[in-house]
Amino acid sequence: DVKVTQSSRYLVKRTGEKVFLECVQDMDHENMFWYRQDPGLGLRLIYFSYDVKMKEKGDIPEGYSVSREKKERFSLILESASTNQTSMYLCASSLHMGALSYNEQFFGPGTRLTVL
Amino acid sequence: AQTVTQSQPEMSVQEAETVTLSCTYDTSESDYYLFWYKQPPSRQMILVIRQEAYKQQNATENRFSVNFQKAAKSFSLKISDSQLGDAAMYFCAYRSAFGNEKLTFGTGTRLTIIP
Repeated sequence: DVKVTQSSRYLVKRTGEKVFLECVQDMDHENMFWYRQDPGLGLRLIYFSYDVKMKEKGDIPEGYSVSREKKERFSLILESASTNQTSMYLCASSLHMGALSYNEQFFGPGTRLTVL
Repeated sequence: AQTVTQSQPEMSVQEAETVTLSCTYDTSESDYYLFWYKQPPSRQMILVIRQEAYKQQNATENRFSVNFQKAAKSFSLKISDSQLGDAAMYFCAYRSAFGNEKLTFGTGTRLTIIP
C-alpha cells in the first residue's frame, strides 16, 4: 500500500516563525502536492512538484515556498508564519503516468497548523 | 480556469437508504477526468470513484456509482445502502486530460448517516 506520511498531526507556531511541514511517500511517486484545506473552501493547491528540484506554483502560493531535494520528500515552508495561515495542510503524491491517464492521488493524514 | 461546485454543504441519510451528492463543474475542455474523494473524520483522504469524460458509461464501485452528464457538466455520486462508515466529507475533483496533473476540488459535502 502507498503510504504518505506527514511529520506532525498538530503544530502550534508563533507569528513570524519559520515553519517547515514535511511530507514523505514510500512508493517512488514522481508527483507530490501540497494543499490547504479550510471549511467552506475545500482543498486549494499551494505548490506541486513533478520531479526532484522541480516545483510549480498552484492556486495560492503566496506566503509559501517548497523544497524537493529527494524524490520521496516534499517540504512546505512558511517563511514568516501569519495567523491567516492557520489551516489544515494536506500532502499528496501520485505516479507520473502522463496526461492521458487518471492516476490517483494518495493523501497524507494532514497537519493542523495553528499560528498564534 | 476550471471550477468545481458542490452546492450541498451538508447532507444526511438514514442508514440503508440511498443518497445522492451533487457536483457541477465548468470547463472548456473536451477531455478530462472526474473524481470523488472521501475524507472520514480521521482525515486521510481516499479515492472513492473516478470517471473519464470520454466514456459514456457511468462508473460504479460496489455501492458507489456516478451519474455523469457531460453536456450538463454534472457529476453526482450515489451511495446505495448507506452505512455508518460512509459518514465523511466528500469532495468532487476535476483534472484536465492534458497539461499538468493537478486536481481542482469542490468545497465538499459533509454526509451524516442516521442510525
